[in-house]
Amino acid sequence: GQNIDQPTEMTATEGAIVQINCTYQTSGFNGLFWYQQHAGEAPTFLSYNVLDGLEEKGRFSSFLSRSKGYSYLLLKELQMKDSASYLCAVSSNDYKLSFGAGTTVTVRA
Amino acid sequence: GAVVSQHPSRVICKSGTSVKIECRSLDFQATTMFWYRQFPKKSLMLMATSNEGSKATYEQGVEKDKFLINHASLTLSTLTVTSAHPEDSSFYICSVEGPGSYEQYFGPGTRLTVT
Repeated sequence: GQNIDQPTEMTATEGAIVQINCTYQTSGFNGLFWYQQHAGEAPTFLSYNVLDGLEEKGRFSSFLSRSKGYSYLLLKELQMKDSASYLCAVSSNDYKLSFGAGTTVTVRA
Repeated sequence: GAVVSQHPSRVICKSGTSVKIECRSLDFQATTMFWYRQFPKKSLMLMATSNEGSKATYEQGVEKDKFLINHASLTLSTLTVTSAHPEDSSFYICSVEGPGSYEQYFGPGTRLTVT
């Protein structure tokens, strides 16, 4: 089976940095995704990592270590609109996505 | 612009009735689509994989006779919730497998409320 763990909630101040960790144990690995989801809306794609290392995309960066089964999403210069749920998802051998429960990030002024 | 559309966005139905949800791929032909269900404050759970021209593949614990999936064309998959019950109330989201296979594009979701 698939096991994907991430913290339930995180709170940070506007302008700060927040790091959301994700650990996974899956049958096969074809990449790890991070999605952002606002309440009542569908997930939107943030990043994709299939090789070890850091992928930077504007204010968001994502890191992967396949040997450790570990990833993190780094959100810099937080804005109020970044308040959302962030989902870690792993693509397994059959390319199906297994999602973590999501981390609700609250940005405070 | 949107890659995937879903209709309806919200639906309220009475217990015992059936509801059909459509998922359309707008930008490219999709051999494979996925249907997810999400309960409040929970993550997405894959229900089934919809394959154009063949039967859907259901995940363990998902009743295929209750959640009927039809992938009639390369741009349309439908999910029919039959004999709906209040516990079927949920957010149903479809996704389309992109040309690169590893990508999935999500629809805007359908909020189903069964009274």
